[in-house]
Amino acid sequence: ETGVTQSPTHLIKTRGQQVTLRCSSQSGHNTVSWYQQALGQGPQFIFQYYREEENGRGNFPPRFSGLQFPNYSSELNVNALELDDSALYLCASSLAGQGDEQFFGPGTRLTVL
Amino acid sequence: KQEVTQIPAALSVPEGENLVLNCSFTDSAIYNLQWFRQDPGKGLTSLLLIQSSQREQTSGRLNASLDKSSGRSTLYIAASQPGDSATYLCARDTTGGGNKLTFGTGTQLKVEL
Repeated sequence: ETGVTQSPTHLIKTRGQQVTLRCSSQSGHNTVSWYQQALGQGPQFIFQYYREEENGRGNFPPRFSGLQFPNYSSELNVNALELDDSALYLCASSLAGQGDEQFFGPGTRLTVL
Repeated sequence: KQEVTQIPAALSVPEGENLVLNCSFTDSAIYNLQWFRQDPGKGLTSLLLIQSSQREQTSGRLNASLDKSSGRSTLYIAASQPGDSATYLCARDTTGGGNKLTFGTGTQLKVEL
């Protein structure tokens, strides 16, 4: 059984650019959630995908968007990057209805200059 | 607004000491509460998950309790070790099992030799 993986590990972008982050869920999991963690803060819920459909969204603007693929892997896209988007982006996978325990990936560190 | 608060923000203890980390939340209509460990710059490792129908969970030297009526959870670590040094985060599920977690800001623990 493989765990949750994310790519890339680190990324540096400039303001106004666009970025795509990727997540492969744990084998057998059909739900992926994305979180943003600023330095010194707890993670903030961005959105969740369940069976390729968005299933809830936190307080993030529309320039944060996502996709989930048939194999349940997922992408997080951020357009028009701002300095405050610099953070650790975490994805978590779970199997809906099975105790709801979430398993997190190692994260992608995004720096916006 | 559903908030999660963790006290203390930082804690330093000598090796071997038993310690308690606190987590409080504003909404008693909780589905579950999960405790995580985060090493610097890394993703989250799930430690314990307590369903709303449960009062506590144990894993090795860790014991987590949940008191919905008072809006509190505690994580008890017995016989602390330097390897326990990390940030500990609690998170509650904001919906009926939807896995959209609201996190506290964490307690940074340092266990000294």
